[in-house]
Formats: sequence, C-alpha cells, structure tokens
Amino acid sequence: DIQMTQSPSTLSASVGDRVTITCRASQSISYWLAWYQQKPGKAPKLLIYKASTLQSGVPSRFSGSGSGTEFTLTISSLQPDDFATYYCQQYNSFFGPGTKVDIK
Amino acid sequence: EVHLVESGGGLVKPGGSLRLSCAASGYTFSNAWMSWVRQAPGKGLEWVGRIKTKTDGGTTDYAAPVKGRFTISRDDSKNTLYLQMNSLKTEDTAVYYCTANPYYEIYWGQGALVTVSS
Repeated sequence: DIQMTQSPSTLSASVGDRVTITCRASQSISYWLAWYQQKPGKAPKLLIYKASTLQSGVPSRFSGSGSGTEFTLTISSLQPDDFATYYCQQYNSFFGPGTKVDIK
Repeated sequence: EVHLVESGGGLVKPGGSLRLSCAASGYTFSNAWMSWVRQAPGKGLEWVGRIKTKTDGGTTDYAAPVKGRFTISRDDSKNTLYLQMNSLKTEDTAVYYCTANPYYEIYWGQGALVTVSS
C-alpha cells in the first residue's frame, strides 16, 4: 500500500499570509493526487485534482504542484474563509492525515 | 450536474450488518471508479475501499481495518454503488461517503451516518 503523509499537522497563520502544505507519497503516484478542504460538519470540498488543476469555482489563490512523490498546496493570500482542515488523497486510495489551518 | 446520494445509514449493534447504497446521476456511472470513504467523529478522512469499472476488471480493494468484513459492489444498470458491512464494530461508527471518479475530477455524496452501539 502507498502511504500518504502531510506536513505540518497544524499551521497557525494570519489573514494575508502565504501558506504551503506538503504531501508526500511513499512511492510514485505520478499526478494522481487531489487536495480537499473540509470544515466541521461538512463534506470535503475538492480544491485541486490531477495534482495541479484547479476545480471549477475554487478561488485562484489556491494552487497545487508536484508529481511523483512530493506535492504542495499553496494558498497565496489566506482569507478568513480558508481556516479549515486540508487533506491530500491519492486517487481512489489513501488520504494524508490532514493539516489544520487555524488563526494565529 | 453530478449527484451522489447515500442511503441506508442508521444505528446497529456490534456484530450486526448494514448495507449502504449510493445512487449516482449526472455522468456515465459505468465509466467511473467508485470508492467509499468514512470519517469517525473528530477524526480524519479514511479511505474504506474502491471498485474499478468493468472495463478495468471490476475488481475491489479494501483498507486493512475493513478487509474481510466489508464488500463493495456496483450495479451499473441501476447506477448504484453498495457497501455491505458485516461484523460491525464500535470503531466503524462514522459518516460514510461515496465518491466517483469518472475522469479526472472526483465527486462526493453528502454522507450517511452509521452508528455502531449496543
């Protein structure tokens, strides 16, 4: 099984900050990676698919990059609505443990 | 527009069984790999298992905690995905989501709550 890790597990940031979350796969998954945002009590929301493609309707301050085993999700300027937990997922398989972005 | 609607959740005693269904619409169901994902209260997202398209062999794979107890199946004629859960444990208590991956995008249902308790 391919294992997914994320860092950091928690990130404290301020509105306007640039935020980067890293996801690593234990072996190459090419570009088969998705990023999600989840808020309490809600279903996850797809942000990025195929490692770097922005889902329709998602603000352009979100971006994804990487391939193989290392991937990043970047929020260029953190907004109040972005405080949430973020997960990476290998397509149709395991998730990373999540990164909680909270207010500094 | 893609819609995934889970049903069949509820309260079940430890050792019991339950079957979840996921009714899909808005895309060609038979062309999509389908998965089940769960989230226990206060925990992260956990992949449960997946079923491939018949074109890709129709095979299933499961996460270790559910292997041998849970079975995923699909009925392409009814555009429906199933999750048969047997020998349920208290630690299976979670919201269960179905997901669809017809091309590159991934779609989610709204979730169904399964509570395993005596």
